[in-house]
Amino acid sequence: EDQVTQSPEALRLQEGESSSLNCSYTVSGLRGLFWYRQDPGKGPEFLFTLYSAGEEKEKERLKATLTKKESFLHITAPKPEDSATYLCAVRGSGGSNYKLTFGKGTLLTVNP
Amino acid sequence: EAGVTQFPSHSVIEKGQTVTLRCDPISGHDNLYWYRRVMGKEIKFLLHFVKESKQDESGMPNNRFLAERTGGTYSTLKVQPAELEDSGVYFCASSQAAGTSTNVLTFGAGSRLTVL
Repeated sequence: EDQVTQSPEALRLQEGESSSLNCSYTVSGLRGLFWYRQDPGKGPEFLFTLYSAGEEKEKERLKATLTKKESFLHITAPKPEDSATYLCAVRGSGGSNYKLTFGKGTLLTVNP
Repeated sequence: EAGVTQFPSHSVIEKGQTVTLRCDPISGHDNLYWYRRVMGKEIKFLLHFVKESKQDESGMPNNRFLAERTGGTYSTLKVQPAELEDSGVYFCASSQAAGTSTNVLTFGAGSRLTVL
């Protein structure tokens, strides 16, 4: 059974203070690791997909990296508008080709 | 492009009553999914439609839950009769046909269900 563990559960940063969020996973045949952002009262919003170890993707102040066991979401010089819950999910080769297994998320708060 | 639309945004019902949640996917998206987040836990997969056919319903909790997708357009998720443990946020998502570059799930805002 695919599993995703995210840490920390909550992270409070000052504006401009860079940090990283961790996503550890076990999956039978990785077919994609996904990062989503979720704001209160809204659904998850897609950020990145990573497919193989060593892959990296960037978007504004966010950079996602992937190894065979974990993924990191690096946040550089965050701003208050980056405050949200960040969700990690994996798609494995077992079961439905489209089923995502999510972690519980990391609640990020960036103070001005 | 309109996103995934869910209705109602919040429903409060008593134990034993029936509730029907509706999802309108992005136009042209053959794949439609239902997920649920119970308080304090992670978002979990319920089922997956390809057009009007159920592709995978391995995540449906029990036979009190019935999902339909008539004509391959909108979908409904009915809970009958509702129990306290059914409370949570039900998310619908849709995606285009197969192919890694197009198989990104777009989620709706969710329908919050509270069973008293």
